[in-house]
Amino acid sequence: NAGVMQNPRHLVRRRGQEARLRCSPMKGHSHVYWYRQLPEEGLKFMVYLQKENIIDESGMPKERFSAEFPKEGPSILRIQQVVRGDSAAYFCASSSGDHGAFFGQGTRLTVV
Amino acid sequence: GENVEQHPSTLSVQEGDSAVIKCTYSDSASNYFPWYKQELGKRPQLIIDIRSNVGEKKDQRIAVTLNKTAKHFSLHITETQPEDSAVYFCAASRDSGYALNFGKGTSLLVTP
Repeated sequence: NAGVMQNPRHLVRRRGQEARLRCSPMKGHSHVYWYRQLPEEGLKFMVYLQKENIIDESGMPKERFSAEFPKEGPSILRIQQVVRGDSAAYFCASSSGDHGAFFGQGTRLTVV
Repeated sequence: GENVEQHPSTLSVQEGDSAVIKCTYSDSASNYFPWYKQELGKRPQLIIDIRSNVGEKKDQRIAVTLNKTAKHFSLHITETQPEDSAVYFCAASRDSGYALNFGKGTSLLVTP
């Protein structure tokens, strides 16, 4: 079991560009969560998805951010028109629902 | 929504001593309380979790206690070792399949 796989590990974008972050959950896990971590801070919940459904997006900024978890393929977190304040580590986690969530290695986004 | 407070923010102990980290939560509907360890530049790793029908759980040198009436839970690490040095996060949620609300983290330093 390869664990939760995220790519890319590091992503540099210029202001105004789009960032796409990918997450493949652990085998057998149907629950996917995205969290954002700013330097020296905790993990902030963004969105919770199951296949083809957004279950809870209460932590997602209303504009520029979107997430999906299609029937086939990885979950995608998309940030349009990135700004400097979007620079952070974005972690994906997955769960079977019965046990705790396991995190991926994260994508470190730098906006220049 | 749920609000999780974590104390202390930094903790320094000598090797062999015990370390205790405390968290409080606000939502009485929370029933699942995991703890994560995050080393610098790495992913958060689930180290232990407890559900509200249990008051205490132990795994080797790590134990977690829960007081549901007072809405607080604690992580206890005994016989600390330098490799225990990391940032520890507590979290709370309605159940293991739901999104996690994290505390701000405790940076633990174990000095030889």
